[in-house]
Amino acid sequence: TQLLEQSPQFLSIQEGENLTVYCNSSSVFSSLQWYRQEPGEGPVLLVTVVTGGEVKKLKRLTFQFGDARKDSSLHITAAQPGDTGLYLCAGSSGNTGKLIFGQGTTLQVKP
Amino acid sequence: KAGVTQTPRYLIKTRGQQVTLSCSPISGHRSVSWYQQTPGQGLQFLFEYFSETQRNKGNFPGRFSGRQFSNSRSEMNVSTLELGDSALYLCASSLFAGSRMNTEAFFGQGTRLTVV
Repeated sequence: TQLLEQSPQFLSIQEGENLTVYCNSSSVFSSLQWYRQEPGEGPVLLVTVVTGGEVKKLKRLTFQFGDARKDSSLHITAAQPGDTGLYLCAGSSGNTGKLIFGQGTTLQVKP
Repeated sequence: KAGVTQTPRYLIKTRGQQVTLSCSPISGHRSVSWYQQTPGQGLQFLFEYFSETQRNKGNFPGRFSGRQFSNSRSEMNVSTLELGDSALYLCASSLFAGSRMNTEAFFGQGTRLTVV
């Protein structure tokens, strides 16, 4: 059974601080996706990483896929209150549309 | 380009009843997956449909079923509702044209089901 362990589960920081969210597994994934979800809404896709060692940047967000394609991280620089939300990582085996989700990280950025 | 549309947004049902939720995927997307999201369990995979065939199924009881139509629209049905079925039900569509990038999923806003 493929599992994704996401940490930390909760994070409360001040505006301007940096943070990193981790997503780890003992399984290899074909690709890994990061989502952000607001309360009562569906997850919104932020990025997809597919190549081991790949780094992608989205403004102040940096995503990395581990060399072995078993883990990933999301780093936010100078967090802002608008970054508040639930961040989810999800892995795909590549041959179906099924995604395995981590438990999520609830981020609160205080002004 | 329209996104994934789920209807209804909110639903209140009584224990023992059944419910049908609907999902219209992004135009051209052939894969539709359903997920259940609860505070305790997070997002759990229910099933995936591709070209009207169920391709994958998660670990849910047989009360949970689904289908996909020729236009890729999908429905999921839950029979004999239990209190524990209260959750946000999310539908996701994927292009799935064979490359790893095309497995990325786009979600609808979800249907909030409350069983009383």
